[in-house]
Amino acid sequence: AQSVTQLGSHVSVSEGALVLLRCNYSSSVPPYLFWYVQYPNQGLQLLLKYTTGATLVKGINGFEAEFKKSETSFHLTKPSAHMSDAAEYFCAVSVGASGTYKYIFGTGTRLKVLA
Amino acid sequence: GAVVSQHPSWVICKSGTSVKIECRSLDFQATTMFWYRQFPKQSLMLMATSNEGSKATYEQGVEKDKFLINHASLTLSTLTVTSAHPEDSSFYICSASPGANVLTFGAGSRLTVL
Repeated sequence: AQSVTQLGSHVSVSEGALVLLRCNYSSSVPPYLFWYVQYPNQGLQLLLKYTTGATLVKGINGFEAEFKKSETSFHLTKPSAHMSDAAEYFCAVSVGASGTYKYIFGTGTRLKVLA
Repeated sequence: GAVVSQHPSWVICKSGTSVKIECRSLDFQATTMFWYRQFPKQSLMLMATSNEGSKATYEQGVEKDKFLINHASLTLSTLTVTSAHPEDSSFYICSASPGANVLTFGAGSRLTVL
């Protein structure tokens, strides 16, 4: 069965510092992996996705993630944090065959950016 | 880009009443939509898969008689919380796929049952 583990429910970084949010997955089939961001009282916005092909995926707002099959990881990074990056971040894996869109979400990581 | 719209954004109701939440795909057709529930400071839990023209598929532990789902058209799915109670208070989010192996999420509907 597919599952997602996000290490660290809260992460604090200084403005301008590197952002690293960790995500490990478990999947019996080649996974489709996603990172979403959620601002308070809002829905989820897609940051980036990995389906097939290049393992380093670039997303919006300067974020990127690397799919590492050997480590079953899909960590999210950003070289320099901005105050506007403060939000909740969710990693997700797609369950089942492509196109089913049944996602399993991690428990989320709340990113705090310190001035 | 693809947009999923939810209405209402906020709703407060009395215990025992029913509340309907609408989910619309604005610029694409969706034969399938997904309803999630999110408790405060927690992750999203899939409640059910809404299928146009057929019955919804509910996740284990979700009461189908409590959470009625109707997918009346290719752009509209509704979630009705029947006989709502305070424990049903939550943030409900719908989603649909415009293609390209990705889900687009609505802005969510916050339900408060008094």
